Amino acid sequence: AQKVTQAQTEISVVEKEDVTLDCVYETRDTTYYLFWYKQPPSGELVFLIRRNSFDEQNEISGRYSWNFQKSTSSFNFTITASQVVDSAVYFCALLSSNFGNEKLTFGTGTRLTIIP
Amino acid sequence: NAGVTQTPKFRILKIGQSMTLQCAQDMNHNYMYWYRQDPGMGLKLIYYSVGAGITDKGEVPNGYNVSRSTTEDFPLRLELAAPSQTSVYFCASTGTKINQPQHFGDGTRLSIL
Repeated sequence: AQKVTQAQTEISVVEKEDVTLDCVYETRDTTYYLFWYKQPPSGELVFLIRRNSFDEQNEISGRYSWNFQKSTSSFNFTITASQVVDSAVYFCALLSSNFGNEKLTFGTGTRLTIIP
Repeated sequence: NAGVTQTPKFRILKIGQSMTLQCAQDMNHNYMYWYRQDPGMGLKLIYYSVGAGITDKGEVPNGYNVSRSTTEDFPLRLELAAPSQTSVYFCASTGTKINQPQHFGDGTRLSIL
């Protein structure tokens, strides 16, 4: 069975602070994919990043960075110099590549509030 | 540049009524999905389809039905609405490879009273 745990239900930080959102996953598959999605107050879901299980290289995109560690089954997301527009619910998700089980499993999300 | 289109955006139903949530995508995607999102929760998969004519149950299929007669459309049917089905429903699609990011519609907010 697959599982994604986002232990931080809500986080509040003051604008310009750095913040890290944790994501821990469970899977028996050797090939899998990890995603982060953003859900702003308007409600839509916005894709942020995809990482496959064979690529443990960290990625940076502007103020966003992701740290993937297979040894700890974690795929954490850091926002540097946070801004009010970063306020949203962030979801981590896991996709198995096993044929017949190609379903995306979402975590329960972390609500991030950036205080001006 | 439509992407995934869901209709309606909002709907209030009475207990026992039925309705169909529409989902259409114009990206020629093979994979389509229906999720529900309860307040403060993540998304749970209701049904999915890997291509026209093929559907399968997700994590929470009870009380729902789907069909996939064309590549573009993937409607979700509620036959006997119950208060427990009050939720926000999202439709999503993915292209020819399952590991591609899912494109989501804007959601349908459904209340059962």
